[in-house]
Amino acid sequence: DQQVKQNSPSLSVQEGRISILNCDYTNSMFDYFLWYKKYPAEGPTFLISISSIKDKNEDGRFTVFLNKSAKHLSLHIVPSQPGDSAVYFCAASDWSNYQLIWGAGTKLIIKP
Amino acid sequence: SQTIHQWPATLVQPVGSPLSLECTVEGTSNPNLYWYRQAAGRGLQLLFYSVGIGQISSEVPQNLSASRPQDRQFILSSKKLLLSDSGFYLCAWRRGNEQFFGPGTRLTVL
Repeated sequence: DQQVKQNSPSLSVQEGRISILNCDYTNSMFDYFLWYKKYPAEGPTFLISISSIKDKNEDGRFTVFLNKSAKHLSLHIVPSQPGDSAVYFCAASDWSNYQLIWGAGTKLIIKP
Repeated sequence: SQTIHQWPATLVQPVGSPLSLECTVEGTSNPNLYWYRQAAGRGLQLLFYSVGIGQISSEVPQNLSASRPQDRQFILSSKKLLLSDSGFYLCAWRRGNEQFFGPGTRLTVL
């Protein structure tokens, strides 16, 4: 039973345009959501997060939106740059069980 | 500042051989520690986590085991590797709502 789903395995975006990565969750008890970025052969690095009491969090080119009623969050990257090409993981906190619940990841490819 | 180390970076092992991967964290005490595996083209699979010395919780039954002999040391082991154990192994520690990852170990079982 996947509690966090990233339904797009890959996404290709033109350099300079907006990249939108989507994530859905099923457990309404999740209260904190995170996005991580991962390059091949490296550990994931924390990118941006959002608490369930907010609907938007912005950090430079990165913005995360949370729609609690739809149990949906998205990561917007504007403008997209070649260095943004990576796998992006969505995660939700389930700290009652000491864990983050992870999506399967979306591979973002930025085309020049 | 906190840092997390993993070694070795890469490892090639024959089927049936033992395994020991080590992870250490610096700059923090009593961290929650985690072992993940990422198979080729797949997401992150949580294998084990530990909330303290000698305390190990297993998420997926398999031929791997974990131990936490010291506060900031987390070890992943196997007595006999299988081909399906190949993958990218990641250690992580938790601070607040976030997890921070080590550089990973690429394990190839032949």
